[in-house]
Amino acid sequence: DGGITQSPKYLFRKEGQNVTLSCEQNLNHDAMYWYRQDPGQGLRLIYYSQIVNDFQKGDIAEGYSVSREKKESFPLTVTSAQKNPTAFYLCASSPVSGNYNSPLHFGNGTRLTVT
Amino acid sequence: GESVGLHLPTLSVQEGDNSIINCAYSNSASDYFIWYKQESGKGPQFIIDIRSNMDKRQGQRVTVLLNKTVKHLSLQIAATQPGDSAVYFCAEISHGDDKIIFGKGTRLHILP
Repeated sequence: DGGITQSPKYLFRKEGQNVTLSCEQNLNHDAMYWYRQDPGQGLRLIYYSQIVNDFQKGDIAEGYSVSREKKESFPLTVTSAQKNPTAFYLCASSPVSGNYNSPLHFGNGTRLTVT
Repeated sequence: GESVGLHLPTLSVQEGDNSIINCAYSNSASDYFIWYKQESGKGPQFIIDIRSNMDKRQGQRVTVLLNKTVKHLSLQIAATQPGDSAVYFCAEISHGDDKIIFGKGTRLHILP
């Protein structure tokens, strides 16, 4: 079955440590996205990538970094510079880069807890 | 700024009844709208979408209505089932801005 796989489902880290969240898709989609979901708020865009080896900052990129070395993979690193990293992180993809002409497909998320 | 909002944060519906979940949007330039369903601990699932050149679109047990005059979007679920329990949120896209905005969500609770 085609889809987006996020791992791990739950992640616990100590404050001051960097942590990398994995996102893999086998949908052959060009565009990939990282969103953060907090209670009572809509999804907020962290980073997105429309093509391999290229990515752009979203609305809340500070304290995060990404890479897009392969079409299938778009890992997100939460650095120690992120002031409030505890959240539910969602990875998404869409078939066509650029304009949003089709719905985003989402993974099942990674819940990160930093203490 | 422009934003997508929902009228009710929680909706309780008797099993078997129809559910109506509402969404207001403020950007008149938005031309594509999507409804997602998110179950606890999972990622959002696409339910149905509609483009601004349409007023209504039907899927299996779901209908989306778009009223551009009052900038209102609704999701109707027929014969609500226990499996429909989830958070539902809308998203609006403005291709002119190349931006997608997600609403905060409405929790649908099914009463036995």
